[in-house]
This record gives sequence, structure tokens and C-alpha cells, in this order.
Amino acid sequence: GEDVEQSLFLSVREGDSSVINCTYTDSSSTYLYWYKQEPGAGLQLLTYIFSNMDMKQDQRLTVLLNKKDKHLSLRIADTQTGDSAIYFCAEIPNTGFQKLVFGTGTRLLVSP
Amino acid sequence: DAGVIQSPRHEVTEMGQEVTLRCKPISGHNSLFWYRQTMMRGLELLIYFNNNVPIDDSGMPEDRFSAKMPNASFSTLKIQPSEPRDSAVYFCASSLALAGADTQYFGPGTRLTVL
Repeated sequence: GEDVEQSLFLSVREGDSSVINCTYTDSSSTYLYWYKQEPGAGLQLLTYIFSNMDMKQDQRLTVLLNKKDKHLSLRIADTQTGDSAIYFCAEIPNTGFQKLVFGTGTRLLVSP
Repeated sequence: DAGVIQSPRHEVTEMGQEVTLRCKPISGHNSLFWYRQTMMRGLELLIYFNNNVPIDDSGMPEDRFSAKMPNASFSTLKIQPSEPRDSAVYFCASSLALAGADTQYFGPGTRLTVL
């Protein structure tokens, strides 16, 4: 089945690292994504990882994929107040069509 | 590139009225997606098109909702008649290909309020 789960809320202090977790149920998903949504805006792609990778790093962002446990995480190093937003993980189940299935979103609040 | 363009950005209407939401995808993209976002249900895919043809409309709530894509640069989502439970933010997204890691680019959304 298609079900992507995330914790709803995360609060950190500026300068700390943030780790946002996600679990998915479709083991055949080939791509997994992290999107960011700022207040009043649409979703913006942050990064994605192919299912044959364990880790992907892009500046302050690190994505870890544990395919065995179907667990995806996004680590933001040196979190800034501008990182406050809702973060969605998403998968494309292996149906042959680019149909994104989104998680519930994690609201990240960064305090000074 | 201007990105995905949606109009209007905000719409307030009364129950029973017809509502039309519009989307212009990024030039050259061949897939278009309509999503609805609410606090209760999160982000839901309503329908998506590839090369102007509807591929999957299983997410469309009911017959009051309809979507069209008459050409590669324009799509509409219509609600007739509208109901208060349709109040949500409606997003349009487009992408270049049907499969693979091709990114979906989202528009800014239309916030619909049905009184």
C-alpha cells in the first residue's frame, strides 16, 4: 500500500542540527523526495535520492535512506531561522507513473 | 522562467457558486498535476495529465469536480456547485517527464474559501 508517515512537529534552536524522519511502505519506490513548504507558498524540491543510494549530501542537507527499514531522514546542519517551514517526504511508487505520494509533513520551528 | 502560474491566488465564494481555478505550467513540461491541501487531509493528488491527456483522476472527490487541459500551456480545475468543505489550497504542479526523478515544480497555490 501507499502510506508515508512523518512526525508532525520538530522544534530546534538556531545553530543546532535538525533531523526529520519519514517512513514509507512501498519497498519498490525508486525515488524518494524531500520538499519544503514555506508559509503561503507552494512546495519546493529540496533534494531527492535514488533507491540504490544510502546517503546523499548537498551543502547543509544530508539524506539517509535505510531501504531495509523503509526509513528516510533529512538532516539540516546549522539550522537557521529561515529553515522554519513544513517539510514533506514523498515517494514515487513503482507504478510506472510519476505519481508522488506525500507524507503528512513535519513542521520545523527554529528559535533564535 | 516564470515558473508555474496559478490564478487567482485567493478566491472567496458562496456555497453553490461555480469556481474555476487556472494553471499555466512551465513551458516545455508535459505533465501537469492538481493537488488539494487541507489541515485534515494533508496534500492530496486530484488528477494528473500527460501530454494534455488525463492519466489518473481517481483523486477527484466527486462529480462536482472537473479538470481540463485543452492545450499544453493551460489547465483548469472547476468546482460546480461549490461547498464549504471544498475550502482548501489548490496547487498545480508540472514536470518534464512521466517517469523517473524528474522534478515536479509547484505553483504558489490558490486559496479557496467557500462560505
